[in-house]
Amino acid sequence: DAGITQSPRHKVTETGTPVTLRCHQTENHRYMYWYRQDPGHGLRLIHYSYGVKDTDKGEVSDGYSVSRSKTEDFLLTLESATSSQTSVYFCAISPSGQGDTEAFFGQGTRLTVV
Amino acid sequence: SQKIEQNSEALNIQEGKTATLTCNYTNYSPAYLQWYRQDPGRGPVFLLLIRENEKEKRKERLKVTFDTTLKQSLFHITASQPADSATYLCALDIKGGSYIPTFGRGTSLIVHP
Repeated sequence: DAGITQSPRHKVTETGTPVTLRCHQTENHRYMYWYRQDPGHGLRLIHYSYGVKDTDKGEVSDGYSVSRSKTEDFLLTLESATSSQTSVYFCAISPSGQGDTEAFFGQGTRLTVV
Repeated sequence: SQKIEQNSEALNIQEGKTATLTCNYTNYSPAYLQWYRQDPGRGPVFLLLIRENEKEKRKERLKVTFDTTLKQSLFHITASQPADSATYLCALDIKGGSYIPTFGRGTSLIVHP
């Protein structure tokens, strides 16, 4: 299995509180992605990174920010959590920006905002 | 707008039969198309990749076709087994830029013994 770890695996938080999810990889892959997965919507891209300090927005980036200060870590922050951000969050990594390489996914973080 | 469509209804088949899943896309020109498997409570796992200039790709009991004219990919599992029960996702790249895996919603496959 690719060396990718998400933490925490489960979290319950209150509306309005900040939350940070961590994705850690040991593969030295350049690309890292954050997705959320909801019933009826599938996997939707939140943000992605193509290198240290290089990030860009995805389809559903409102209310989220990211940071990548080291190759191995990609952090997703919900500045002020809302109930609509209750979801399962997946981190993925890929060695290159080409579609001929697979993406490797973490185990996911189940976030509940109450 | 760009769209990737997979049948949202679950596909129920009997063990030993061939399962066929469909991925249709609009307003894309993908250079590659990928298929992933996702089990409940776990992240997706890569299965197969097919390039735009390939009509068909096989791996053991899996076969993928890619018709860029129809804008469609078919994913076949032959001699299906209950262990094949899972959700299957197709993913496309967007040609000309960084590879940002864009996924369909997935189709649930249930193989009955």
